[in-house]
Amino acid sequence: QKEVEQNSGPLSVPEGAIASLNCTYSDRGSQSFFWYRQYSGKSPELIMSIYSNGDKEDGRFTAQLNKASQYVSLLIRDSQPSDSATYLCAVRFSGGYNKLIFGAGTRLAVHP
Amino acid sequence: DARVTQTPRHKVTEMGQEVTMRCQPILGHNTVFWYRQTMMQGLELLAYFRNRAPLDDSGMPKDRFSAEMPDATLATLKIQPSEPRDSAVYFCASGLVLGSSYEQYFGPGTRLTVT
Repeated sequence: QKEVEQNSGPLSVPEGAIASLNCTYSDRGSQSFFWYRQYSGKSPELIMSIYSNGDKEDGRFTAQLNKASQYVSLLIRDSQPSDSATYLCAVRFSGGYNKLIFGAGTRLAVHP
Repeated sequence: DARVTQTPRHKVTEMGQEVTMRCQPILGHNTVFWYRQTMMQGLELLAYFRNRAPLDDSGMPKDRFSAEMPDATLATLKIQPSEPRDSAVYFCASGLVLGSSYEQYFGPGTRLTVT
């Protein structure tokens, strides 16, 4: 069973703080990892992709990947109320014809 | 600004009726995906196509769901007959598989209510 696990939250952080969202996956052979943001009533929006071990930064977002630990995380610096959303982790599992397996998502609430 | 488009955005129908949802992928993308999202099950993959060929529809209830891609600009998902348990948001996504790079972009979704 190929699985992607996320804490459902809600994760509550004060405005300006760092929000840390975590995701673990079951397939050691996975090569591609993605973070999507989904506002209530809207569609998932791709915000980060990461393919190699280490950190990848894009503005206030940093994705971190550790394939040995089968762990991927998303850090949001200087969190804003507009970052309040559900964050979905997605993993491209090996041998899966390029399909993604999504986690259930972590709900983030940034309070002023 | 290239986007995936979906129609209709909302659909309310009675049990037993046929429902057809349409998707126009981003021009140049070679993969198309249909997902269903509910509060209970989260985001589930129903079917996907690469270069218009169906590669995997194992997530679809075969007796009532069908997915097709008649041309590169149109993907369809049909439910016949529809049931109340089909009520969900249906998303289409498209992507370009290029080497190890692989990203999917979602359309706005069709919110289906079956009464």
